[in-house]
Amino acid sequence: DTEVTQTPKHLVMGMTNKKSLKCEQHMGHRAMYWYKQKAKKPPELMFVYSYEKLSINESVPSRFSPECPNSSLLNLHLHALQPEDSALYLCASSQPGGWTEAFFGQGTRLTVV
Amino acid sequence: QKEVEQDPGPLSVPEGAIVSLNCTYSNSAFQYFMWYRQYSRKGPELLMYTYSSGNKEDGRFTAQVDKSSKYISLFIRDSQPSDSATYLCAMSYSGGSNYKLTFGKGTLLTVNP
Repeated sequence: DTEVTQTPKHLVMGMTNKKSLKCEQHMGHRAMYWYKQKAKKPPELMFVYSYEKLSINESVPSRFSPECPNSSLLNLHLHALQPEDSALYLCASSQPGGWTEAFFGQGTRLTVV
Repeated sequence: QKEVEQDPGPLSVPEGAIVSLNCTYSNSAFQYFMWYRQYSRKGPELLMYTYSSGNKEDGRFTAQVDKSSKYISLFIRDSQPSDSATYLCAMSYSGGSNYKLTFGKGTLLTVNP
């Protein structure tokens, strides 16, 4: 099973809303990632969790708050977003170390209105 | 100079053609090379994964890595309309806590029936 599951698939939220994106994998991977992808651009790394600890934060604004409750789950909490935050948010997982293949979920398409 | 360069295309070929997709890179520390296929509005799907130099074949797909030239390729034989997608190269290296995937811009491929 090489599946990374993301929910919801689509999300529309207002600028004052609070919402969360969820990601789950059962491949035993101990590194999990959040990426943001704008149209016709490659994915941009936001956060990396390794062994459930935040190891990389790519200077992401605090309106994005990641959480890794256990080795299979990864959340991204959203608050006071801006319209320019509208994008496809991708979760990925791999074994830690950057030396193995990473598998991506299908993404959550977020629209901020 | 960007770390990874990839011609964004678009590339249009007739069904049955051999397709060649390429990336060049500048960071000699990259050791792990991946090709992802991404359909419109979907997450990237891992196609091929190669460590260091050499070739790897999987069905109609062949990945080549030439570390001396810092050049990687993906060949698609007998291309099908279902191969129409954006193809992203991605690279990483081991060592320390670096788990980042560095992506090329992606090449948009259309295979015409």
